[in-house]
Amino acid sequence: DAGVTQSPTHLIKTRGQHVTLRCSPISGHKSVSWYQQVLGQGPQFIFQYYEKEERGRGNFPDRFSARQFPNYSSELNVNALLLGDSALYLCASSDPGVTYEQYFGPGTRLTVT
Amino acid sequence: AQTVTQSQPEMSVQEAETVTLSCTYDTSESDYYLFWYKQPPSRQMILVIRQEAYKQQNATENRFSVNFQKAAKSFSLKISDSQLGDAAMYFCAYRSKNYGGSQGNLIFGKGTKLSVKP
Repeated sequence: DAGVTQSPTHLIKTRGQHVTLRCSPISGHKSVSWYQQVLGQGPQFIFQYYEKEERGRGNFPDRFSARQFPNYSSELNVNALLLGDSALYLCASSDPGVTYEQYFGPGTRLTVT
Repeated sequence: AQTVTQSQPEMSVQEAETVTLSCTYDTSESDYYLFWYKQPPSRQMILVIRQEAYKQQNATENRFSVNFQKAAKSFSLKISDSQLGDAAMYFCAYRSKNYGGSQGNLIFGKGTKLSVKP
């Protein structure tokens, strides 16, 4: 079975630009969560979506937004990029009705210059 | 708010030896989940072991086991017969049993970098 997939693997953006990151959950999983991992730190929760509705939001500015599609894939959008947005962005999928575990994708490495 | 603390930024172990990684957490909840994740240089976060707070028995997965001390809010990971492939960042994580809002998601510690010497 395919695991969580994310695209792109790496990307480089300039300050002020916008970026869209994509995630496909494990087949059958209806919940997707996004985390930001700054170098040398543990991941920090950004958003959670379940059945296409936002179920949770971490302490991130409004420049960060996300959505979930009918096929349960998800996009994370970041506007007006800052140097401090440079990080590994991780997507995790879960099936809340079955298990409490989250399974992570390989991440997207974003560099803002 | 819940917090997770890993006080060992780096640890080193000889191949085939045993190493213990420490984790403490703070919460006012009585029931929750605790996890250890491994993140190798490939970046993929891999679930190593899980513990449900209401279960007294310590979880074990092959060479990996935990020492869960609920009263002390301690959740250490023991790796036995260490292998070169165990070298990675290890993160301790907490998750509330209340699903919804930001509580249903993982709160991570800062991680411990484990090196394995041949």
